[in-house]
Amino acid sequence: DAGVIQSPRHEVTEMGQEVTLRCKPISGHDYLFWYRQTMMRGLELLIYFNNNVPIDDSGMPEDRFSAKMPNASFSTLKIQPSEPRDSAVYFCASTRDRATEAFFGQGTRLTVV
Amino acid sequence: AQRVTQPEKLLSVFKGAPVELKCNYSYSGSPELFWYVQYSRQRLQLLLRHISRESIKGFTADLNKGETSFHLKKPFAQEEDSAMYYCALSSGSARQLTFGSGTQLTVLP
Repeated sequence: DAGVIQSPRHEVTEMGQEVTLRCKPISGHDYLFWYRQTMMRGLELLIYFNNNVPIDDSGMPEDRFSAKMPNASFSTLKIQPSEPRDSAVYFCASTRDRATEAFFGQGTRLTVV
Repeated sequence: AQRVTQPEKLLSVFKGAPVELKCNYSYSGSPELFWYVQYSRQRLQLLLRHISRESIKGFTADLNKGETSFHLKKPFAQEEDSAMYYCALSSGSARQLTFGSGTQLTVLP
């Protein structure tokens, strides 16, 4: 297995534009997590899914952020409209069956100018 | 609510010197704690977990419930240990991770 795959690796966009980040979890994993990493706040949990269903989105900062998981092998995190303060590295992680090791993707570095 | 604190953002030591990365937590339940490491240009990966009581790459960490700490230690640091280290606590129905703010370790030659 190639592990958790995220795309794109880097995204530069202008303020006000829509941004979509993508994640493919490890096959067979039924939990998927989205994290945001910034210098100021470190790694923050934004939202997580279990069996494609969003369970806890209390970490999503604003209504501009939304996440979906249409099937077991794909999830998106969308920001619309984007703002410069959204600039961060966004990580996706997956786990199997409440197993305690989380496997992370390589992240998407988002820059909003 | 759970909280993980890593007081040092940056830590530099010389090769061969001992290193300790501090981690303190607050959690009302029975904690499950981890150390994750992120090497340059690589993904975040699990280094060790307290329930395993194992040593990985020479690193150990002991859970001290009295002091609510889970410090990461290595007696002799190597240059390849230079990385960002995150302490994390697992909680909730999905055992989701709450991370500390991370410590960037630099091992100098």
